[in-house]
Amino acid sequence: QKEVEQDPGPLSVPEGAIVSLNCTYSNSAFQYFMWYRQYSRKGPELLMYTYSSGNKEDGRFTAQVDKSSKYISLFIRDSQPSDSATYLCAMLKAAGNKLTFGGGTRVLVKP
Amino acid sequence: ETGVTQSPTHLIKTRGQQVTLRCSSQSGHNTVSWYQQALGQGPQFIFQYYREEENGRGNFPPRFSGLQFPNYSSELNVNALELDDSALYLCASSSRDGTYEQYFGPGTRLTVT
Repeated sequence: QKEVEQDPGPLSVPEGAIVSLNCTYSNSAFQYFMWYRQYSRKGPELLMYTYSSGNKEDGRFTAQVDKSSKYISLFIRDSQPSDSATYLCAMLKAAGNKLTFGGGTRVLVKP
Repeated sequence: ETGVTQSPTHLIKTRGQQVTLRCSSQSGHNTVSWYQQALGQGPQFIFQYYREEENGRGNFPPRFSGLQFPNYSSELNVNALELDDSALYLCASSSRDGTYEQYFGPGTRLTVT
């Protein structure tokens, strides 16, 4: 079993809809939770990070962490065709150095 | 502020050959991590360099090795290439006290035939 699980999709939504993405994990030692966006044939771009549990909002993006359930989410409001990409969750242990990634969810926002 | 750069962009090698990939870290960052991303999968941690020394290694064989230079740039060397080494190799830089904020370069796509 992988430490971090993520539905590969593809997830197809109409423009303007809310995109809901999530990851589950098995290692309770993870303390930092990141979301990256990766366009085709490009490197991952850091969108947001959250420490421990709670919510964090940045513009159209909201990240949620529920450590009791070992479940994290990313919501994208008012989705745009330019949001079409693969979204990767990543996690890090306290004082750790290695990001552990999910497999990524491919998102397609249709005009 | 200059972002993370990697070279070359693409590379085609034959099984058994050796390859060197290069990375320049973002301005102000002294830590470099390398990841391997196979097609359709998430990146896998290879190793990290801090102050020119290896600072943690993932589940990769010794034929994967690296260097970090005084200007914090880094190299990834892979010996005895295998077909399964075909992947996107990503370099990420961070400041030592902000390892959770790792910023990635565009990657080097390696094809082994």
